[in-house]
Amino acid sequence: KAGVTQTPRYLIKTRGQQVTLSCSPISGHRSVSWYQQTPGQGLQFLFEYFSETQRNKGNFPGRFSGRQFSNSRSEMNVSTLELGDSALYLCASSLKSDRGGYTFGSGTRLTVV
Amino acid sequence: GNSVTQMEGPVTLSEEAFLTINCTYTATGYPSLFWYVQYPGEGLQLLLKATKADDKGSNKGFEATYRKETTSFHLEKGSVQVSDSAVYFCALSDHSSGPGNTGKLIFGQGTTLQVKP
Repeated sequence: KAGVTQTPRYLIKTRGQQVTLSCSPISGHRSVSWYQQTPGQGLQFLFEYFSETQRNKGNFPGRFSGRQFSNSRSEMNVSTLELGDSALYLCASSLKSDRGGYTFGSGTRLTVV
Repeated sequence: GNSVTQMEGPVTLSEEAFLTINCTYTATGYPSLFWYVQYPGEGLQLLLKATKADDKGSNKGFEATYRKETTSFHLEKGSVQVSDSAVYFCALSDHSSGPGNTGKLIFGQGTTLQVKP
């Protein structure tokens, strides 16, 4: 079956712009989580959605937001981009956010110039 | 709070050598433990998992045992190959400690493994 699909794979934006990243989970998976990966901070949790509801949020400013649609697809948005937002953004899906593990997509590499 | 600590890398080994990557954790509840692997330019792949104490996760020759008494989940492989070169992440998921941890993985800083022919 198809894995977790993230689009686009690469993105270059200018400071002050906004960006929207997309994640399509594995069919039947209802939980979608987002992570930011940088060389300095490692992997940091952004937020998690389940059945269109945000259930958990990490320690990121309000410029980072997300949503989940009825088909479980999710988007995250970053407004007023800063240079420090340059990172690999990873999406992960799970059947019901249980102990079974999470399947990750290949990520979106965002570069802010 | 919950946290994961991994041994620092890089770890450089010759092909067919024995691998150990240490991982210890701190958790308030009863976490599930995972090892993920990341190849260059890729996302994370689940390597193995364990959901309760004394469970042993295994996959592709890699093994790790959930040790509650030492709060550890060390990754081992008896004979590494060049194709095992990657970054390895230890992670925990602690649902039992409350809704604030739902859907959230806490990762260690990652250990780079380089295997030379």
